[in-house]
Amino acid sequence: DTEVTQTPKHLVMGMTNKKSLKCEQHMGHRAMYWYKQKAKKPPELMFVYSYEKLSINESVPSRFSPECPNSSLLNLHLHALQPEDSALYLCASSPAGVVIGYTFGSGTRLTVV
Amino acid sequence: AQTVTQSQPEMSVQEAETVTLSCTYDTSESDYYLFWYKQPPSRQMILVIRQEAYKQQNATENRFSVNFQKAAKSFSLKISDSQLGDAAMYFCAYRSLPNAGGTSYGKLTFGQGTILTVHP
Repeated sequence: DTEVTQTPKHLVMGMTNKKSLKCEQHMGHRAMYWYKQKAKKPPELMFVYSYEKLSINESVPSRFSPECPNSSLLNLHLHALQPEDSALYLCASSPAGVVIGYTFGSGTRLTVV
Repeated sequence: AQTVTQSQPEMSVQEAETVTLSCTYDTSESDYYLFWYKQPPSRQMILVIRQEAYKQQNATENRFSVNFQKAAKSFSLKISDSQLGDAAMYFCAYRSLPNAGGTSYGKLTFGQGTILTVHP
């Protein structure tokens, strides 16, 4: 299995809703990442997990809450989002300490109404 | 901090022709990695090619090759025999060596991207 699987592919949520994005990989990668991408812009790093521990938080608002319950799974919990949070959310993984490039998922298209 | 610049917001090429996408970067580090990623309308970021800075030989992957000029901090991507499936947004990216516990760990710095259109 050489894929990163993200669910759901599309999500529409209200500003008072709570929802979660899920990311799963079975490549044995021990580093996992969340990126946010606006249309026709590069991805922006949000969080990095290394060996299931949060390694980098790029000053992301607390309405975004990451979780890494095990080495294969990464979640992003969403609460009280704003319309400007609408974007494509990409998950990626890589072997920790070895630079061969990231494997990205196909993303979740999030719309906040 | 490192920066990556892609000066061509859009490029176009005829099918079967060759096109070159430009990328320059700024860094004070001597060892690092450079990547080209492709993002088609399907949204998934796909790794096209990787270059280690300590290697003088330019990386190649089938129809894709790079021209890596370390002194000039330039990393261009050449696509030969362009195909309709090459149409996508292309991102150049920089990564420092892994530095567990440091702020450089795991972070890719992307350029602004180049939209490539392939005409039949």
